[in-house]
Amino acid sequence: GAGVSQSPSNKVTEKGKDVELRCDPISGHTALYWYRQSLGQGLEFLIYFQGNSAPDKSGLPSDRFSAERTGGSVSTLTIQRTQQEDSAVYLCASSTGLATDTQYFGPGTRLTVL
Amino acid sequence: AQTVTQSQPEMSVQEAETVTLSCTYDTSESDYYLFWYKQPPSRQMILVIRQEAYKQQNATENRFSVNFQKAAKSFSLKISDSQLGDAAMYFCAYRSAGAGSYQLTFGKGTKLSVIP
Repeated sequence: GAGVSQSPSNKVTEKGKDVELRCDPISGHTALYWYRQSLGQGLEFLIYFQGNSAPDKSGLPSDRFSAERTGGSVSTLTIQRTQQEDSAVYLCASSTGLATDTQYFGPGTRLTVL
Repeated sequence: AQTVTQSQPEMSVQEAETVTLSCTYDTSESDYYLFWYKQPPSRQMILVIRQEAYKQQNATENRFSVNFQKAAKSFSLKISDSQLGDAAMYFCAYRSAGAGSYQLTFGKGTKLSVIP
């Protein structure tokens, strides 16, 4: 597609449930990033995928968070046993993967944990 | 670790006037990139302007320009002829140019209001 797309746009879940958030990057972009935007913490890096390399998971806040990227394209961020502090907007970005490139963001998924 | 500071949580400007948003950063690296992103209520982060640290010339994009002071580690955004559509959250971001992960480090943001 023309831009980065994310689904769902909004997700409401109950504490303790698992959720999956999806990101479709710009076609041809090899790099994909997940960020979390919350009122208290601002914008935080979560995880980075570059081609077939092992992902950089250094930003994941706990082992309840995981992500995968299938076929070098679509990515899914999974949060297990959600907690209220997981409520945030989850943003996905993609780029060409070059050192000089720019990241292009999707519209985000707003997650609310009740 | 790099940090980015935006000291103005909120700013306002009259339509057609000029406003400057401040950003400072801390890094030990010599080569890096700096960005300003705009986030309207739709949540979509939109790139406004980018600056390569090795370039002395300040970047400009139409009504948007930056004042990049490398020694002072300052990277301010000037918006000229402000328009109602400029109202949004503005985030300053830093990215290393070294090999490895190229994640962005963001400031807390400045909420810009444009007064008609």
